[in-house]
Amino acid sequence: DSGVTQTPKHLITATGQRVTLRCSPRSGDLSVYWYQQSLDQGLQFLIQYYNGEERAKGNILERFSAQQFPDLHSELNLSSLELGDSALYFCASSVEHRENEQFFGPGTRLTVL
Amino acid sequence: AQSVTQPDIHITVSEGASLELRCNYSYGATPYLFWYVQSPGQGLQLLLKYFSGDTLVQGIKGFEAEFKRSQSSFNLRKPSVHWSDAAEYFCAVGAQGGSTLGRLYFGRGTQLTVWP
Repeated sequence: DSGVTQTPKHLITATGQRVTLRCSPRSGDLSVYWYQQSLDQGLQFLIQYYNGEERAKGNILERFSAQQFPDLHSELNLSSLELGDSALYFCASSVEHRENEQFFGPGTRLTVL
Repeated sequence: AQSVTQPDIHITVSEGASLELRCNYSYGATPYLFWYVQSPGQGLQLLLKYFSGDTLVQGIKGFEAEFKRSQSSFNLRKPSVHWSDAAEYFCAVGAQGGSTLGRLYFGRGTQLTVWP
């Protein structure tokens, strides 16, 4: 158990809908990262937040957005969902100054029908 | 741009046999290198990491990896595989600084099957 929690574990929804994925980092970790794992693209970095502020952006679609709250939990919002958004979404966290040492949550599996 | 190549999509070994999973990376400077393992339905667990220093690094579960700068490789090894090692293994590279700090680039993974 990495200490990073993600909810829900599974999510099934329809095209055009909007969903919110939630992540709670390890206690004391200020940075949160979101990754998408799909059959087409493999594991890809989406976005990083540090202490409530966006720090880095990867291949994140405009339909996707994220935020980190004062209690450091983070949410990834996916809207206007398409079939191709079906994937496993991972959240990771790290301590300050050790950004590369990331601890991953169990993931949320999103299925878009 | 950073990239990671894992040439073997699927490897099958017998229990007790030795294992080597290959990883090649492309990066402009000395990278941080990682191996993660993903069991079915589980998240990614860090097996080991290389930041600097000794090029042979030891990890959890009896795994080790060797950084070879001249070959841009970071191959994962285990002398004797256990059935519980069956999983998918991911090699990743991260920057030591700059605008991509914190962004990990992953290979496509190698699926390991272990025969009893």
